[in-house]
Amino acid sequence: AQKVTQAQTEISVVEKEDVTLDCVYETRDTTYYLFWYKQPPSGELVFLIRRNSFDEQNEISGRYSWNFQKSTSSFNFTITASQVVDSAVYFCALVLPYNNNDMRFGAGTRLTVKP
Amino acid sequence: GAVVSQHPSWVICKSGTSVKIECRSLDFQATTMFWYRQFPKQSLMLMATSNEGSKATYEQGVEKDKFLINHASLTLSTLTVTSAHPEDSSFYICSARVAVSALYGYTFGSGTRLTVV
Repeated sequence: AQKVTQAQTEISVVEKEDVTLDCVYETRDTTYYLFWYKQPPSGELVFLIRRNSFDEQNEISGRYSWNFQKSTSSFNFTITASQVVDSAVYFCALVLPYNNNDMRFGAGTRLTVKP
Repeated sequence: GAVVSQHPSWVICKSGTSVKIECRSLDFQATTMFWYRQFPKQSLMLMATSNEGSKATYEQGVEKDKFLINHASLTLSTLTVTSAHPEDSSFYICSARVAVSALYGYTFGSGTRLTVV
């Protein structure tokens, strides 16, 4: 019923570089919610953003920005001027509220920011 | 904000023993709780969905007799790994939907790292 693809397994950048993490989703439902989470080495999941399918407006939060494009079923995440503290695994996730209502995650992208 | 407290943070147990992991919603009522398992360098895989007062719904391939889930109250859900084996070693995370609508988001416990020796 739902699938999330994060094709980039690992990305390595040098501090201050911009980096974009890709997320492509699949669903036949017209109502859905998309999420991004950060998972540092401690394992705890840190919520970054939630977007519903009816709101295609892009969002910027400090150095973070998200580009939601329903035409390509993508919800990409860009970190501007990356910092070492951004090093973590980032997960994109999808929820179908009128279906199973559970959260399904992509495989995750491990981002390493080198000083 | 909504908080889910998960305990223990880590546990080491001997093969053949059982381990119980607890997740408590501290400032809201968690009608539905989700349990995930994450192997090293892998994604979070949904194991089961539990609704308060009813039997949990398990994902395909997850042994319900091995992973016992109890959701007896609106603030507590437990996962018991019975007769644990080394292959059950993993990171287990619970999650609760903050409200009926997914629009209000989900909150996650801090996870439990289980090592079976």
